[in-house]
Amino acid sequence: NAGVTQTPKFQVLKTGQSMTLQCAQDMNHNSMYWYRQDPGMGLRLIYYSASEGTTDKGEVPNGYNVSRLNKREFSLRLESAAPSQTSVYFCASTPGLADTDTQYFGPGTRLTVL
Amino acid sequence: DAKTTQPNSMESNEEEPVHLPCNHSTISGTDYIHWYRQLPSQGPEYVIHGLTSNVNNRMASLAIAEDRKSSTLILHRATLRDAAVYYCILRENDYKLSFGAGTTVTVRA
Repeated sequence: NAGVTQTPKFQVLKTGQSMTLQCAQDMNHNSMYWYRQDPGMGLRLIYYSASEGTTDKGEVPNGYNVSRLNKREFSLRLESAAPSQTSVYFCASTPGLADTDTQYFGPGTRLTVL
Repeated sequence: DAKTTQPNSMESNEEEPVHLPCNHSTISGTDYIHWYRQLPSQGPEYVIHGLTSNVNNRMASLAIAEDRKSSTLILHRATLRDAAVYYCILRENDYKLSFGAGTTVTVRA
């Protein structure tokens, strides 16, 4: 099993450009998440999807949109990138939403917006 | 929201135990205590979790105070591969993992 995979690994954008970060998991998990991590800080939740067909805002959703394409895939879109969105983006998945469910993280996408 | 407090950094020698403290004085009775770690340039990975009793797994042990207001993650024999940022997180009856700044562990050879 590959676990959680993310593409691309690195990306540089100019202000105002758009892009989509891709995430896929092969663990048959129901729930998926997008986090961002700024330098020297912990992760902050952007959006999550409790199950296929549902998405909800997290702590910092402004400037982002998401799509739960199917059970395996959860994408994050930046419609008009801003320098404040320079960060490392992590996708994660869990079997469900139980307190004891372990979150499995992908390797991250390092995004720079100039 | 229940919060956690951890030291910013800790150092250890290789093959010695590491005790990482976490204070969570406002924890509620149903909050699980989770520990994750993040190795350099990688995504976080699960370490261990517990509710009331001490827990052991192949990676670490979790000692939870009787009043649950604090806990300690124990790495029994630190290796260079254990150098990471360790996060103590409370699961607040929902999906969310709220990451603080964590404790940066440095292991000296």
